[in-house]
Amino acid sequence: QVQLVQSGAEVKKPGASVKVSCKASGYIFTTYAIHWVRQAPGQRLEYMGWITPGNGNTKYSPNFQDRVTFTRDTSATTAFMELSSLRSEDTAVYYCARTTELTTALFHWGQGSLVTVSS
Amino acid sequence: EIVLTQSPGTLPLSLGETATLSCRASQTVTSNYVAWYQQKPGQAPRLLIHAASRRATGITDKFSGSGSGTDFTLTISRLEPEDFGVYYCQQYGSSPWTFGQGTKVEIE
Repeated sequence: QVQLVQSGAEVKKPGASVKVSCKASGYIFTTYAIHWVRQAPGQRLEYMGWITPGNGNTKYSPNFQDRVTFTRDTSATTAFMELSSLRSEDTAVYYCARTTELTTALFHWGQGSLVTVSS
Repeated sequence: EIVLTQSPGTLPLSLGETATLSCRASQTVTSNYVAWYQQKPGQAPRLLIHAASRRATGITDKFSGSGSGTDFTLTISRLEPEDFGVYYCQQYGSSPWTFGQGTKVEIE
């Protein structure tokens, strides 16, 4: 079955960077884009963008364009989200997610990775 | 970007009742690509409805979606304890994808 398993919680200082991983299994990694969504405490879900593991193409939402980088390691079937210049407002749970052959909405989700930004 | 506004913010209901949740878009959603998700505390969202009215795999018919253009509705019939939580709409017809602020369905 499809599984997306994310890395553990991180605590970072303002100005630092964080890199969250998303290990995919149960399907051919290169056939579906990996999407990233975050959720600050008590807030709505916020879409960050996607990466297509096959060719590494990326698309970033404007709110994150200048601070986020998506990468992937196809041999490890793992996608990565790196966010730089962290500030307290970046404290959130970060999710990776995937569509299916039946829908381009987000059906499969990772368990989430909590990133806390605090001095 | 398309702004999604959900109403009401909180919906107190009793077991067995029907919940009607609204999602209004600031502009027409391409191809009616609206999805609805359920989220419970400490969990990732779960896809319920996609393309405005299609149930996702494994979702019972107590959940139904409707609407087109800018106005969309999620209906949950015969509320059970496991149905309480926060529901989000999302549009994925235009980039960037966006989410509504959520409706919390709680036990009255």
